[in-house]
Amino acid sequence: KQEVTQIPAALSVPEGENLVLNCSFTDSAIYNLQWFRQDPGKGLTSLLLIQSSQREQTSGRLNASLDKSSGRSTLYIAASQPGDSATYLCAVGGSGNTPLVFGKGTRLSVIA
Amino acid sequence: GAGVSQSPRYKVTKRGQDVALRCDPISGHVSLYWYRQALGQGPEFLTYFNYEAQQDKSGLPNDRFSAERPEGSISTLTIQRTEQRDSAMYRCASSLEAGDSPKYEQFFGPGTRLTVL
Repeated sequence: KQEVTQIPAALSVPEGENLVLNCSFTDSAIYNLQWFRQDPGKGLTSLLLIQSSQREQTSGRLNASLDKSSGRSTLYIAASQPGDSATYLCAVGGSGNTPLVFGKGTRLSVIA
Repeated sequence: GAGVSQSPRYKVTKRGQDVALRCDPISGHVSLYWYRQALGQGPEFLTYFNYEAQQDKSGLPNDRFSAERPEGSISTLTIQRTEQRDSAMYRCASSLEAGDSPKYEQFFGPGTRLTVL
């Protein structure tokens, strides 16, 4: 059974810092990996999707990497801003359009 | 519509009542997923559909939970004889099945917050 772990559970940084969120998964036979942002009382916003054949994806200040063989992904946030404060969720897909398995998330606070 | 919509956004019900939660996926999306999220946890899979066919319902906690998508678009998740432990955020997502370039990116709705008193 696939298990997804996110470390750290919570993180507080001053504005402007670069930071890394970590995600690990137990079964390396994944189809894709998605990073989401969750704001209190709101839905999940898809940030980046990495297919199993890719090693990284970038969107603005965000960069996600994937090392499938070691069962790891990282989300790098450059020059953090208070607006980046949210919970970040990592989720893996086993194959095609099958359900995602989520980690518990990392709660990020960026202090102005 | 522009995104996945869910209704109601909030539902408070008394123990023993039945509830029906609705999900309207992004137009043209083939796959529809239901998840449940407890406070401080990530979403957990309940069931999913390709078109109108229910592909996997292994995540449904017990037989009080059921889901349907009769015309391959809107889906309803029904919980019968609700219990306090059913209180959670229920999330719906949809994805586009593309044969040549299957990204299968899932897009989530805002969720329905269910509270069972």
